[in-house]
Amino acid sequence: NAGVTQTPKFQVLKTGQSMTLQCAQDMNHNSMYWYRQDPGMGLRLIYYSASEGTTDKGEVPNGYNVSRLNKREFSLRLESAAPSQTSVYFCASTSQILGEAFFGQGTRLTVV
Amino acid sequence: GENVEQHPSTLSVQEGDSAVIKCTYSDSASNYFPWYKQELGKGPQLIIDIRSNVGEKKDQRIAVTLNKTAKHFSLHITETQPEDSAVYFCAASRDYNNNDMRFGAGTRLTVKP
Repeated sequence: NAGVTQTPKFQVLKTGQSMTLQCAQDMNHNSMYWYRQDPGMGLRLIYYSASEGTTDKGEVPNGYNVSRLNKREFSLRLESAAPSQTSVYFCASTSQILGEAFFGQGTRLTVV
Repeated sequence: GENVEQHPSTLSVQEGDSAVIKCTYSDSASNYFPWYKQELGKGPQLIIDIRSNVGEKKDQRIAVTLNKTAKHFSLHITETQPEDSAVYFCAASRDYNNNDMRFGAGTRLTVKP
């Protein structure tokens, strides 16, 4: 049982480049989330998807877009990367009943 | 919106001692308070959670207490072991779907053998 899988694990981008972070879960969860983690700031919600076909903004959505491709997959896209988007990105999913969030291993993104 | 403050930011204890991490929250409507442990290079993992109708919850060496009146909750780890070394995050939300969940800034716990 893989849980939540994120790719890639590491990425370096130049300012202005674009990229997509991939996330897939195999737990049949309805809800999926993208967070960013910055030193001294904990985890902040970028976007979430409460169910297949729906997406909503979180606390810090500017500069990002998301796609809920199907129930398993939720991708995060940076259209024009900026140094302020240097961070560790985590994908998570939840079972609505339990509330526990299952996190992927993270993507460390550096924008130079 | 919700604001969660977590203290201390770093904590160092000797193996076998107890560790306490404290969090305060601002939204009186919050009713779900999970604690996550993040080991180096990994994603956070839930270790214990508490809901607003409960004042205390224990799971082996880990306990969480909640004071809704004062809007604070704490994580207690007894008989600490080196493998307890990690970053711990508290969080608070109104529901179980993480949509409005807010996390504390984290506490780096080091347990010295």
